[in-house]
Amino acid sequence: EAQVTQNPRYLITVTGKKLTVTCSQNMNHEYMSWYRQDPGLGLRQIYYSMNVEVTDKGDVPEGYKVSRKEKRNFPLILESPSPNQTSLYFCASSFSRSYEQYFGPGTRLTVT
Amino acid sequence: DQQVKQNSPSLSVQEGRISILNCDYTNSMFDYFLWYKKYPAEGPTFLISISSIKDKNEDGRFTVFLNKSAKHLSLHIVPSQPGDSAVYFCAATMNRDDKIIFGKGTRLHILP
Repeated sequence: EAQVTQNPRYLITVTGKKLTVTCSQNMNHEYMSWYRQDPGLGLRQIYYSMNVEVTDKGDVPEGYKVSRKEKRNFPLILESPSPNQTSLYFCASSFSRSYEQYFGPGTRLTVT
Repeated sequence: DQQVKQNSPSLSVQEGRISILNCDYTNSMFDYFLWYKKYPAEGPTFLISISSIKDKNEDGRFTVFLNKSAKHLSLHIVPSQPGDSAVYFCAATMNRDDKIIFGKGTRLHILP
């Protein structure tokens, strides 16, 4: 089954404690992306990757890091989380930016 | 500055009637537009897309219209069904930087 998986689905953490949210896709997609969804702000792109070892900033990259060492995986790293990073995060993949994206189920992160 | 705007936060439509969701954009460099649907507690799912070289694309009950001179696109759903109740996001992308920009979304309520 074609899918994008994210782990964990829920996470409560404290300010400053490094965390990683994993994302994996099984569709051999080249384009992968991370978004955050906040009330009243819609979906905002954090980082995207057009292929292995190729990543670039989206609209809200501050406080986040990503890596793309393998085509299927695109982890999101918060080196020092802060309360303003409390949000619902989605990973997505597609063949390219102009093709339909497949979204993961989301990760709800709370930073206290 | 918002490049993709969905000015109606919510919309209520009678079952069986036409639902029209609107989206405006500011950047004439956008070359692909996509619509996504999102249910609570799930990731967004792709609905339909349109290239900037077209003015209409149709897929079953869903039709997207693009008016480049007005920088406006709309999603028509005919006939509206109860399962169409969801949040709809408009997204746009351009080949200059490969980012994907989403609007804030419109919540559609289909009334029985």
